[in-house]
Amino acid sequence: AQSVTQPDIHITVSEGASLELRCNYSYGATPYLFWYVQSPGQGLQLLLKYFSGDTLVQGIKGFEAEFKRSQSSFNLRKPSVHWSDAAEYFCAVGAWNSGNTPLVFGKGTRLSVIA
Amino acid sequence: NAGVTQTPKFQVLKTGQSMTLQCAQDMNHNSMYWYRQDPGMGLRLIYYSASEGTTDKGEVPNGYNVSRLNKREFSLRLESAAPSQTSVYFCASSEQGEDTQYFGPGTRLTVL
Repeated sequence: AQSVTQPDIHITVSEGASLELRCNYSYGATPYLFWYVQSPGQGLQLLLKYFSGDTLVQGIKGFEAEFKRSQSSFNLRKPSVHWSDAAEYFCAVGAWNSGNTPLVFGKGTRLSVIA
Repeated sequence: NAGVTQTPKFQVLKTGQSMTLQCAQDMNHNSMYWYRQDPGMGLRLIYYSASEGTTDKGEVPNGYNVSRLNKREFSLRLESAAPSQTSVYFCASSEQGEDTQYFGPGTRLTVL
């Protein structure tokens, strides 16, 4: 079975600074990988996903993530953070050809943005 | 398209009361899910339905029952609510289990 670890519970960055949120997964075969964002009081919204192909994936709101098989990682990045990016971010992994096994979500990283 | 809708948005119950949370999706998805979200615990899967007519337990099924009424609707029932079930509940749907999940706006439930 697959699993996901988000090592950072809470990160604070200054507005305009770069951001990297870490995600490590465990799965023996080809994973499907996702990043979701949850603004306060809202449901989860898909930021980006990796199924196959180019290991650098572009998403909405200027986010990108890079799949590194050798490191079992799928870190989320943004070159310049805006105050509106303050939210909780969840990484998730799906098992290719799993027979309908649901995605497994990490516990989330809360991002605070300071002026 | 409305996507995934949930009712109600807020609910307060007394210990021992029962209630049903409703979820519907208009994306013709096969799979549907119920999660609960508690501070510091992330999302925990309660039950899921891989396809119409099937349901399976997730990580935290105790105290809950589900019904996949048809392809569109997946309800979550609390037969005898307990304070430990105070949480925010999210419904989600996807084409298949490993695919992108789309989430509803959530139901904030308080059990006194």
